[in-house]
Amino acid sequence: GQNIDQPTEMTATEGAIVQINCTYQTSGFNGLFWYQQHAGEAPTFLSYNVLDGLEEKGRFSSFLSRSKGYSYLLLKELQMKDSASYLCAVMDSNYQLIWGAGTKLIIKP
Amino acid sequence: NAGVTQTPKFRVLKTGQSMTLLCAQDMNHEYMYWYRQDPGMGLRLIHYSVGEGTTAKGEVPDGYNVSRLKKQNFLLGLESAAPSQTSVYFCASKNGKEQETQYFGPGTRLLVL
Repeated sequence: GQNIDQPTEMTATEGAIVQINCTYQTSGFNGLFWYQQHAGEAPTFLSYNVLDGLEEKGRFSSFLSRSKGYSYLLLKELQMKDSASYLCAVMDSNYQLIWGAGTKLIIKP
Repeated sequence: NAGVTQTPKFRVLKTGQSMTLLCAQDMNHEYMYWYRQDPGMGLRLIHYSVGEGTTAKGEVPDGYNVSRLKKQNFLLGLESAAPSQTSVYFCASKNGKEQETQYFGPGTRLLVL
């Protein structure tokens, strides 16, 4: 079967760094997406990785290891507005997105 | 550009009632999707469309029907609502390239009593 695993909830302090992990087992792989979803709102795109390595975009970075079926999202200089759920999604061989349940990130002052 | 819009934003139904959720996008996207999001679970694909006049089943299609008569609109119908269909429904769209990003609407919260 297809499976995406990520922690249910994480807590971090304003100004700190947090790493949200995602492991996956899917039928085929055409890339991995990270989305941010604030409570009561729509998911919004953060990053896309299809090759191994680190992609940096401002305070956010995303890493992929295809051989390990593993990705992480790194958030630096945390701000209160980063309190949200972070969704990991893998595009399978049919170009459909398989979604993890999301990681709720709580930022404390 | 409004992006992806959904109507209604919130609805309460009684078991057995029917309704239609409307999704509209103004980005000229080819692909459109309907998902449901339930607590503790990932987004699950209900139905999708790869172009005007086409529809296909996703992971959880039972109890739902869809139509894509116009490129910019994707309708999701519930013929006989059940409490198990209480959920938040999201519509998404993307352009024709396979690995492009999906853009989401604001969601419709549906409560079936």
